Amino acid sequence: DAGVTQSPTHLIKTRGQQVTLRCSPISGHKSVSWYQQVLGQGPQFIFQYYEKEERGRGNFPDRFSARQFPNYSSELNVNALLLGDSALYLCASSFGTLAYNEQFFGPGTRLTVL
Amino acid sequence: QQQVKQSPQSLIVQKGGISIINCAYENTAFDYFPWYQQFPGKGPALLIAIRPDVSEKKEGRFTISFNKSAKQFSLHIMDSQPGDSATYFCAATDSNYQLIWGAGTKLIIKP
Repeated sequence: DAGVTQSPTHLIKTRGQQVTLRCSPISGHKSVSWYQQVLGQGPQFIFQYYEKEERGRGNFPDRFSARQFPNYSSELNVNALLLGDSALYLCASSFGTLAYNEQFFGPGTRLTVL
Repeated sequence: QQQVKQSPQSLIVQKGGISIINCAYENTAFDYFPWYQQFPGKGPALLIAIRPDVSEKKEGRFTISFNKSAKQFSLHIMDSQPGDSATYFCAATDSNYQLIWGAGTKLIIKP
């Protein structure tokens, strides 16, 4: 069975640009969450989507947005990139919306902002 | 109050030894405490989790000890093996959708 997949694997952008990251959840999972993991730190929650609706949002600026498609895949968009946006962006899928529904993580997208 | 503090930042243990990683929290509403294991180039994977109604949970060589009054919980890895070398994260949540993560512990098991 395929796990959570994310694309692209790596991405290099310059300040002010916009980026779109993509995630495909495990088959049967309807919830997708996005996390930012800065080097040397734990993941920080950005968004959770369930059945195409936003169910939760972390403490991130409006430059960050996301959406979920009818097939439950998801995109994370970041506008007006800053150097501080350089991080590993993780997508996790789960069957339900609660935090104690086990979340399965993808390998992440490494974003570098120059 | 939303923080989870994890220590140590890094840990070196001899093969066969016991690895111990500690976490502390402030929010008494937290009611679910998972531990995640992350290998380089991979996303985190759930290792073991505990609810505050029990003081200990064991799965194979991995044990969570939970002290509700001290608001602390720890991960013990018995008979540590080189394959256990990874970064370990504790986390906590109040049954909401959001996990609050510790900063991580890089564990190295020396053969």
